[in-house]
Amino acid sequence: AQSVTQLGSHVSVSEGALVLLRCNYSSSVPPYLFWYVQYPNQGLQLLLKYTTGATLVKGINGFEAEFKKSETSFHLTKPSAHMSDAAEYFCAVSDRGTGGFKTIFGAGTRLFVKA
Amino acid sequence: EAGVAQSPRYKIIEKRQSVAFWCNPISGHATLYWYQQILGQGPKLLIQFQNNGVVDDSQLPKDRFSAERLKGVDSTLKIQPAKLEDSAVYLCASSSLAGSTDTQYFGPGTRLTVL
Repeated sequence: AQSVTQLGSHVSVSEGALVLLRCNYSSSVPPYLFWYVQYPNQGLQLLLKYTTGATLVKGINGFEAEFKKSETSFHLTKPSAHMSDAAEYFCAVSDRGTGGFKTIFGAGTRLFVKA
Repeated sequence: EAGVAQSPRYKIIEKRQSVAFWCNPISGHATLYWYQQILGQGPKLLIQFQNNGVVDDSQLPKDRFSAERLKGVDSTLKIQPAKLEDSAVYLCASSSLAGSTDTQYFGPGTRLTVL
């Protein structure tokens, strides 16, 4: 069965500092992995996704994530945080199970950016 | 391109009352999802439609929740009767296909408070 674990429900960084949001997954088949961002009172928006091919994936707003199969991880990074990055971030895994394709979301990590 | 529309944005009801939410997906998207997002948690899939057929409703509490997607376009989700633990944000999403690599586009959600 699939599962997603996001380490740290809250992360706080200073403006200009590195952002690192951690995600580990479990899947019985090769997974497809996603990061979504949710701003206050809005729906989720796709940041990036890994399907096949290059394990380093670049997304919108300067974010990127690296799929590491040996570590079952898909951590999200950004070299320099902006105030506008403050939001909640969700990691998700999708694969084909007995009932067809299913996407499971992690519990989320809220990112705070300090001036 | 218009996004996923949901209404109402907010709803407050008392327990044992009924409530209905409406979703209009992105034009041409065959797949529609309803998620429940409880405060502090990631979205949990309630039901997935492919056109007007149900693909997955394994996590829908069928004794009180129902959903339909007549004509394969917009959809309604109903709760009858509501319980306190139904307080959550109900997110609707759509995608053009039902594949595991497909991006889901989310609406802004309906925040339900059950008193």
